[in-house]
This record gives sequence, structure tokens and C-alpha cells, in this order.
Amino acid sequence: AQSVTQLGSHVSVSEGALVLLRCNYSSSVPPYLFWYVQYPNQGLQLLLKYTSAATLVKGINGFEAEFKKSETSFHLTKPSAHMSDAAEYFCAVSGAGGTSYGKLTFGQGTILTVHP
Amino acid sequence: EAGVAQSPRYKIIEKRQSVAFWCNPISGHATLYWYQQILGQGPKLLIQFQNNGVVDDSQLPKDRFSAERLKGVDSTLKIQPAKLEDSAVYLCASSLRDSLGYTFGSGTRLTVV
Repeated sequence: AQSVTQLGSHVSVSEGALVLLRCNYSSSVPPYLFWYVQYPNQGLQLLLKYTSAATLVKGINGFEAEFKKSETSFHLTKPSAHMSDAAEYFCAVSGAGGTSYGKLTFGQGTILTVHP
Repeated sequence: EAGVAQSPRYKIIEKRQSVAFWCNPISGHATLYWYQQILGQGPKLLIQFQNNGVVDDSQLPKDRFSAERLKGVDSTLKIQPAKLEDSAVYLCASSLRDSLGYTFGSGTRLTVV
């Protein structure tokens, strides 16, 4: 069984400030981890994914995330927020093999607000 | 490349009515998923197809939901009869076989009144 917990349903930052969105996972098998972004009235867009290669993963739009097995975490960061980053962000987990491979279990989402 | 196409974008129906959603995946993508996203929650997997076969439908409420993928391309998801709690966005996604991080469509927003 797999699950994801996103800490904080709403995060607010100023433009230019650090963005930190928290995600902790639980998985009985080695996990693959993902971050998706969803803009209003749109589908989900993949930001980045961890698939057991480098633990620091770089994605699109300047985002990156670090897989920490000891902390069961996969937090998303961006050094400097831009107004266009305002959206809802979802962390998701998939099993690295077996029947859970490819099937995403999502967290509840974190709405990021960026103030000028 | 063209993305995952879904229609309609919005649908409002009364409870106990029927509704169908359509999805056209990216060309060549063997795997197709339907997810349900209730307001304020993350998407939840309903069903997974590999070509035209069902891989996993364990989360699909089969007493009212059905889905098919004829010829391994387009897919339809049907709800009959709809309940108020079915109000959600229904997302379709596709991927190459055994690929990770698939592509989502824009979704169909269903409101049941």
C-alpha cells in the first residue's frame, strides 16, 4: 500500500522568495515519486519525477526535489518564486514494480499563492 | 505532438441521469487511465487500460460506472445513474507502455444537481 501526505493545504510566499512544498510518502515497495502542477481548469502537468537514479531531481520551471529515504520525504523547492508559479501542486507515488507500477496515488494538493 | 483530448469540458446533469465522457489519448500510447478528482482532493485512479484490455478496475464503482476502450485507442467512461457525490473532474491520462509520468488531458467537469 502506498500513500502521500502533503503538509499544508495552502502556502503563501512573496515573489522572489523561496518556495518549499512538503511531501512525505509511505510505501511498502521502493517508490517512484512525482510532482505535478495544476493550473485552474487544466489537467495536471508533470514537473519532475524520481525513479531511483539521482536523489536530487531537477524539473521544469526551475523546480527541484530531493528524495530522502531516511525521512521518507520528497519536498519540492524553487529558489525564487514567480507570479506564474501560482497553482495547485500535487505529490504522487507509484510502486517501482509489480501491480503498483505506473499507478499514481496522489496527495491532497497544496495551493501556492505568490504575492507581489 | 497533440495532447490527450477529452470531451465535453463541462457537463451538468440531474441525479439519476446518465452521462458519458470521451477520451482520445496521444497516438501510440498503449496505456490509458481514468482518474476522478473531487474538489479539494487529489486525483484518484478509477481504471487502467493496456491497449483495449483492463489492467486494474478495483477502484471503479461498478454498480454505476463503466468504461471501455475499443480498438485500443479512444475510451469512454459512463456513469449510470449519477449521484450527487459523482460531481468531480474526470481526468484521462495516457502513456507509452511501461512508461512513467504520463500526460493528462484537461478533464471533464461534471456537476450533478
